[in-house]
This record gives sequence, structure tokens and C-alpha cells, in this order.
Amino acid sequence: QSALTQPPSVSGSPGQSVTISCTGTSSDVGSYNRVSWYQQPPGTAPKLMIYEVSNRPSGVPDRFSGSKSGNTASLTISGLQAEDEADYYCSSYTSSSTYVFGTGTKVTVL
Amino acid sequence: QVQLQESGPGLVKPSGTLSLTCAVSGGSISSSNWWSWVRQPPGKGLEWIGEIYHSGSTNYNPSLKSRVTISVDKSKNQFSLKLSSVTAADTAVYYCARDRRAAGWFDPWGQGTLVTVSS
Repeated sequence: QSALTQPPSVSGSPGQSVTISCTGTSSDVGSYNRVSWYQQPPGTAPKLMIYEVSNRPSGVPDRFSGSKSGNTASLTISGLQAEDEADYYCSSYTSSSTYVFGTGTKVTVL
Repeated sequence: QVQLQESGPGLVKPSGTLSLTCAVSGGSISSSNWWSWVRQPPGKGLEWIGEIYHSGSTNYNPSLKSRVTISVDKSKNQFSLKLSSVTAADTAVYYCARDRRAAGWFDPWGQGTLVTVSS
């Protein structure tokens, strides 16, 4: 199984919005709503930010939102803040009853 | 709340077997959850290794399947990972995580443990 494709990096100024794409295939992202997103600041474990495409766990700011169209899922951070600077990974369930992660995106706050 | 903690040797020799344990606290490993292992080579992305249910049912990443065994010990409320025939490419931070299979997400995660493969 191949990793889901994400842009290596995105950046924005405080207060701006950034969107991270996560492109898979009809065997993963395109067929299941079991898409999730994780935030990973340097040296820390990943933290769940979005699950089932667009749901936020308790405690995650509503600045974070998710969506999906076809084989591509997206994470949008609105009103970017300095504390949002981190690596972000998407994940999807697959038709092989396995999981696959995205290649990861570094978000930089200018 | 559920917490996970990885433990095991930080250094494994090439061709040897990597063995890690994940202790689950604040909840039962026999609840309706799966339990996963995920790894991250230094400076690289996340890779799903495999998962187990308390019944012993497992699913593995096809690329690692021939070398991976995940097991569960309900009496100790923990699950384990064994990866055989390791090489330098298996050097990584290894995480354990609760796996909500029905919804497809991982939460919470352990803090991770670095395993280096070197002679």
C-alpha cells in the first residue's frame, strides 16, 4: 500500500487560513469516511485533530475543520496561530482492512 | 482516561528481533477497541505496523507482515510487538495507540520509544 500524498509544506501568516490536501485512491480515501488527521509538534506523539473526515474531538479548537471530495481529503486551519506550527498527517482505512498514513505536511506560521 | 506506555530495549542488533510492550492503564484492553503499533523513522513520516483485538485477531501492514507478530496479554492489560530480522531501516520511534476501528482513528497514543538497530 502506498502512502497518501500530502504537500511537504504549507505556510501562512497569523490569522490566515491554510488547507492541507491528502490524496489517496478509490481503495482508501475514496471508499471510506474513516479518514483522520493528526498534529505532531517536534518531539511529541501525534494528537488526533479530526476523525471520520470532519468531526473534532473534544478540546480541539473549531479553527480546525475537515472535508472530503472523491479520493482527496482536506484539513483547513482557519485563523492560523503560532501554536499551530507542527507536522500534520492524514490517515485512512483501506479495502485491505489496513491503515495508511499520509506523507506528512509541515505547517509554518510566518 | 486511557493511557498507554511503551517499553522495551532501545538497541537491537541487526538480524535480531525487536520486542516492545505497550501497557494500557485507565481502561481494559478487553473493551471494544483494537490496539495498534505505528512507527516513525527519524525525520520521516508515520507508518502503520498492525493491530490486534483482545480476542487475538490481527491485521498487519502487508509490507511488514512476514516479520511482524502482535500479541495480547489480557491478564497484564498489555499488548506486544515483535519484529524479526531487523535492519538499520527499522530504526524508528515506535508508538502504540488505541485504535477505534469502526471509525478509523487512533487515540490516545503512547509517548513513543526510540529503537535503534545497530551492532
